[in-house]
Amino acid sequence: EVQLVESGGGLVQPGGSLRLSCAASGFTFSSYEMNWVRQAPGKGLEWVSYISSSGSTIYYADSVKGRFTISRDNAKNSLYLQMNSLRAEDTAVYYCARERGGSPGGWFDPWGQGTLVTVSS
Amino acid sequence: SYVLTQPPSVSVAPGQTARITCGGNNIGSKSVHWYQQKPGQAPVLVVYDDSDRPSGIPERFSGSNSGNTATLTISRVEAGDEADYYCQVWDSSSDHGVFGGGTKLTVL
Repeated sequence: EVQLVESGGGLVQPGGSLRLSCAASGFTFSSYEMNWVRQAPGKGLEWVSYISSSGSTIYYADSVKGRFTISRDNAKNSLYLQMNSLRAEDTAVYYCARERGGSPGGWFDPWGQGTLVTVSS
Repeated sequence: SYVLTQPPSVSVAPGQTARITCGGNNIGSKSVHWYQQKPGQAPVLVVYDDSDRPSGIPERFSGSNSGNTATLTISRVEAGDEADYYCQVWDSSSDHGVFGGGTKLTVL
């Protein structure tokens, strides 16, 4: 069964840092592009970042560029999101999602269950 | 930046057809993907590449894309279809993923 499981969320103060992880199983992780998508409480989906299968190509939303870093460890079947200089507006459920059919430009399937990040003093 | 516009809400009676639109500048030239999200759950892909359906998604779900509008059509709507629906594209000019604002489907 294809599965993605996020972890690492929690409560952090403004200006703080957090590292999210996404453990993949049930497929050849190193063959797929991956994305992070977030959803603020009661709001819609917002794309955050993309990483190619090898990790050589990376893109970020303007709202997180310079503060967040996406990375992957294909040997460990894991995706990461290092979040620095966190702001209240970064409060959201963060989902990892496998991309198919694009380079980038494909669709996201499946998604993990999400991990909640709360930025508050 | 590229913007996708969806109606905030659509209401339909059981058994009828729901149409959810996604507007964008020349969106017909892009591949559009649609997701269903029920409360407290992660999004689920229901249509990809404008009109293809993943395995396990009922044939009642279909999509189209032309000009400045993409449409998700749900035929013979059931109570279980009540959810938020999001369209998504990749904007190659900015190398950004883009989601529409979402549409809440209410089954009357």
